[in-house]
Amino acid sequence: NAGVTQTPKFRVLKTGQSMTLLCAQDMNHEYMYWYRQDPGMGLRLIHYSVGEGTTAKGEVPDGYNVSRLKKQNFLLGLESAAPSQTSVYFCASSPTYSNEQFFGPGTRLTVL
Amino acid sequence: QQQVKQSPQSLIVQKGGISIINCAYENTAFDYFPWYQQFPGKGPALLIAIRPDVSEKKEGRFTISFNKSAKQFSLHIMDSQPGDSATYFCAAKVNQAGTALIFGKGTTLSVSS
Repeated sequence: NAGVTQTPKFRVLKTGQSMTLLCAQDMNHEYMYWYRQDPGMGLRLIHYSVGEGTTAKGEVPDGYNVSRLKKQNFLLGLESAAPSQTSVYFCASSPTYSNEQFFGPGTRLTVL
Repeated sequence: QQQVKQSPQSLIVQKGGISIINCAYENTAFDYFPWYQQFPGKGPALLIAIRPDVSEKKEGRFTISFNKSAKQFSLHIMDSQPGDSATYFCAAKVNQAGTALIFGKGTTLSVSS
């Protein structure tokens, strides 16, 4: 099992550009999450999903959109990137029977 | 409003010493309290977790102490090793389907040899 994988690992964008981050999990987990990690700020929840076709806002959702068309995939989109979105993005998943979240390796995004 | 407050921000401990990281929470509905460990360039991974019906949980050199009345919990790392050098996050969650973890801001631990 690959667990939780994230694509790409690194990306540099210019202000105003758009991009999509892909998260995939092969553990058949119902719940999936997107976090951003900034120095001194910990992990902050952007959006999450409790099942295929459902999404909900987290603590810092502005400027991001998400989609969960397939159970195993959770996409995070930036429509018009801003320098404030420079961060490391982590995806996580968890099963319905456990509170444990399994994290991917992260995507380092820089917006110039 | 920061629901989970973690301290210290950074910690330096001698090899063989005890590392202690503290967290405090506000929401009395929280009933699951995990600690995650993160190495540079990696995603966080669950280290140990506790529910409020016990005051202490130990797994090897790692112990969580939980004080429900004070709304505080802490991570103790006994016999700290250089391989323990990492960032540690406490978190809290309501045990309800569809709710997410609320993380503290993290503690960077350096164990010197």
